[in-house]
Parts: sequence; structure tokens; C-alpha cells
Amino acid sequence: GAGVSQSPSNKVTEKGKDVELRCDPISGHTALYWYRQSLGQGLEFLIYFQGNSAPDKSGLPSDRFSAERTGGSVSTLTIQRTQQEDSAVYLCASSYRGETQYFGPGTRLLVL
Amino acid sequence: DQQVKQNSPSLSVQEGRISILNCDYTNSMFDYFLWYKKYPAEGPTFLISISSIKDKNEDGRFTVFLNKSAKHLSLHIVPSQPGDSAVYFCAASNGAGTALIFGKGTTLSVSS
Repeated sequence: GAGVSQSPSNKVTEKGKDVELRCDPISGHTALYWYRQSLGQGLEFLIYFQGNSAPDKSGLPSDRFSAERTGGSVSTLTIQRTQQEDSAVYLCASSYRGETQYFGPGTRLLVL
Repeated sequence: DQQVKQNSPSLSVQEGRISILNCDYTNSMFDYFLWYKKYPAEGPTFLISISSIKDKNEDGRFTVFLNKSAKHLSLHIVPSQPGDSAVYFCAASNGAGTALIFGKGTTLSVSS
């Protein structure tokens, strides 16, 4: 079956603009995660959705970042008033009931 | 403060030899460990995992060893192949479904 998909694959924006990144998890997976990887760094956890429970937002770096998951499937990560330090690869992963996380290809965000 | 450390940024191995990638962690609450492989411009691909109740898990050419007393795990690849050349990330969690904490990765180069 299809894996995790993310769109857009690349995004270039100007500082101060808002951006939306989309993630389509593997069908049937109940958990969805957002991570980001800045240049030369490991993956950094941002937010986690599990079923209908309240999301774990403990990794969001500032209140400019938010995410929602509609209908228990597709998720959108929104970054408001983007800054240059937001430039990174944003990765989405999904899992079935908390088992192994499977990653999408990522969205490469560049803030000029 | 990094909870998961991969102290070797790079490793070079000849084809057919063993590759040993190392990972140290500081949080004694971690009970699940994973290794992911990442090619450029792709998302991380799950390789192998181990629960804290085990000290070894094997899958084909890949074996992961866990030493809880030393808070250390390692990934062995035998025999190494040129297609194994990639960035390898160690990750840990303290419960199924929780966010993964990643190391910064080790770049493995396997020469033929």
C-alpha cells in the first residue's frame, strides 16, 4: 500500500509569511507525528496525534507553530510569520497504535 | 542536553566487512530503541528495533545489541554492501507511541 506522503516536497517563502505543510499518513494508522531536521542536526520532535486524544504539543518551538489533524487522517502543520531559523526539512511519520513509526519523504522549507 | 548521542559523525568500511555503529543514551526511562537509515532527499527508513527487555535482535544482515547497564546500543551490519551507504540514526522512546528522540546520525560509507 501507499506510504506516508507529504506536500509540497519543497517550499521557498519569504520571512514573515505563513506556510502550511501537509501530511497524509498510511491508511489505518492511528498515530501521526511531526518532526523537523535542521542542517547537521538529528530529527527534533514537534507534535504527536494519537486517535481522538489531545495532541502532545510539547515539542513545538514557539506559538508560531500549530498543527491539526482532521478526521483522524490528514494533518496540516502551520508556521506563522516564518523566520529564517525555521528553515529545515519537516518530516511526518505515522504508526499503528504506537508501533514502529514510518516516515514520509519530508518537506524542505527555505525561509529567505 | 542530548539524550541520544551518536559520537561518530562518519564511518568508512570496505565492502564485505562488518560495520558497527554506536549510540549512547542518558535517559534510563527509555525502553524502546530503533535504527533508521536515511538516503539524501528521502525520509528515514525503519531498519530494526529492540525492546529493553532484550539485549539482542537480529534481522538478516542487521543486528542490534543493547547494553542497558552501559546505556549503549550498537548496530552491526554484516557483510556491509555499497548500498548500505547512508546516514544512520539511532532513536529511543519511553513508551510505545511516544515521540522518538533521535541522535544526530552517523554517515556510513561502504566502498567496493
